[in-house]
Amino acid sequence: DAGVIQSPRHEVTEMGQEVTLRCKPISGHNSLFWYRQTMMRGLELLIYFNNNVPIDDSGMPEDRFSAKMPNASFSTLKIQPSEPRDSAVYFCASSRSGQGQFFGPGTRLTVL
Amino acid sequence: GQQVMQIPQYQHVQEGEDFTTYCNSSTTLSNIQWYKQRPGGHPVFLIQLVKSGEVKKQKRLTFQFGEAKKNSSLHITATQTTDVGTYFCAGHGGTSYGKLTFGQGTILTVHP
Repeated sequence: DAGVIQSPRHEVTEMGQEVTLRCKPISGHNSLFWYRQTMMRGLELLIYFNNNVPIDDSGMPEDRFSAKMPNASFSTLKIQPSEPRDSAVYFCASSRSGQGQFFGPGTRLTVL
Repeated sequence: GQQVMQIPQYQHVQEGEDFTTYCNSSTTLSNIQWYKQRPGGHPVFLIQLVKSGEVKKQKRLTFQFGEAKKNSSLHITATQTTDVGTYFCAGHGGTSYGKLTFGQGTILTVHP
């Protein structure tokens, strides 16, 4: 199994630009999670999906952030417009319901 | 909302010494999970504890879940340099299926 796949691995963009992060979960996993990690705030859950349906998006910082899961094998997290304070490592994770989560390698986002 | 506190924040040990990190939840948990993140890496699932008072071992690692299901600990016997990283506990509150609340993590440094 290839594990959770995320792209891009690194993204450098300028303030105001749109950023799209992509995730392919492990086949057979029905839950998908988007996290953000910074030194100051640690690991924060942004949103999670169960069977492709968004269950809890209370962690999404503001309307500039949106996430979709059009099918069981693909999800995106979009930031529009991006701001320097969005700089962080964004992780996607997947799991079978109630079991351990498998994290992708992360996308390191830098907004200048 | 649910909070998960983890102590200590940092721990420096000499190789061969033991190490313990503690996790406390503000509410009763349905289960608790432990993750390890190497520097520059992504969190890796170690184990899940479900039952009150449960103790599980993985080689030199011993995991405990408190009787009240509000606290947990991870103990490493005779640390090695390969144990370096951040150890996170993460709790399932039971009401938000699939959603984990992560502790702040304990950063372990092992001096050879």
